Amino acid sequence: DQQVKQNSPSLSVQEGRISILNCDYTNSMFDYFLWYKKYPAEGPTFLISISSIKDKNEDGRFTVFLNKSAKHLSLHIVPSQPGDSAVYFCAAAYYNQGGKLIFGQGTELSVKP
Amino acid sequence: GAGVSQSPSNKVTEKGKDVELRCDPISGHTALYWYRQSLGQGLEFLIYFQGNSAPDKSGLPSDRFSAERTGGSVSTLTIQRTQQEDSAVYLCASSLSGHRSDTQYFGPGTRLTVL
Repeated sequence: DQQVKQNSPSLSVQEGRISILNCDYTNSMFDYFLWYKKYPAEGPTFLISISSIKDKNEDGRFTVFLNKSAKHLSLHIVPSQPGDSAVYFCAAAYYNQGGKLIFGQGTELSVKP
Repeated sequence: GAGVSQSPSNKVTEKGKDVELRCDPISGHTALYWYRQSLGQGLEFLIYFQGNSAPDKSGLPSDRFSAERTGGSVSTLTIQRTQQEDSAVYLCASSLSGHRSDTQYFGPGTRLTVL
């Protein structure tokens, strides 16, 4: 069963606007969440993370929000830029299993000029 | 400095053959991970090495899959008697200590095609 779900396979936004990527999880044993970005033919690169003791973490244009009661997190990119076009993966880590990550299926973001 | 490297970048094999995929982690990183991405799917955890501890093999899909890490550095993922469903991009990552808050740095992957 899919413990981390990204229900939107793709998202298209206009340059300068906000991009919102969503992720849901089912396992209460996850306590650390991450977003990775992947360009074609490259490995994923780390973008931003959040611990379950927080509900928001911000890094420049990127903000991750965590709603534990809803088991939902989202990544906001403001303002969106064409170079942000990539596949974004949400990932979760268990509180007791080290660095093992469980990934969602990914959302392909396209930012149009 | 050098990032995570993987070889080969592409591998085409026939069903039933064995394959070996190699990962060179970032120097000094004690944790090493293998994931795979099948077509249209997310990244699937396979196995995780942390220092001298027994590896976490909970993600290996069958006993045809095995991995080792020699000298705490290079790792080899071996798939025996390959099947068509093994076709995927196999990604290796390393991190400094293996804590979940450590950034995992990924290699470019090995694209495996089983005919």
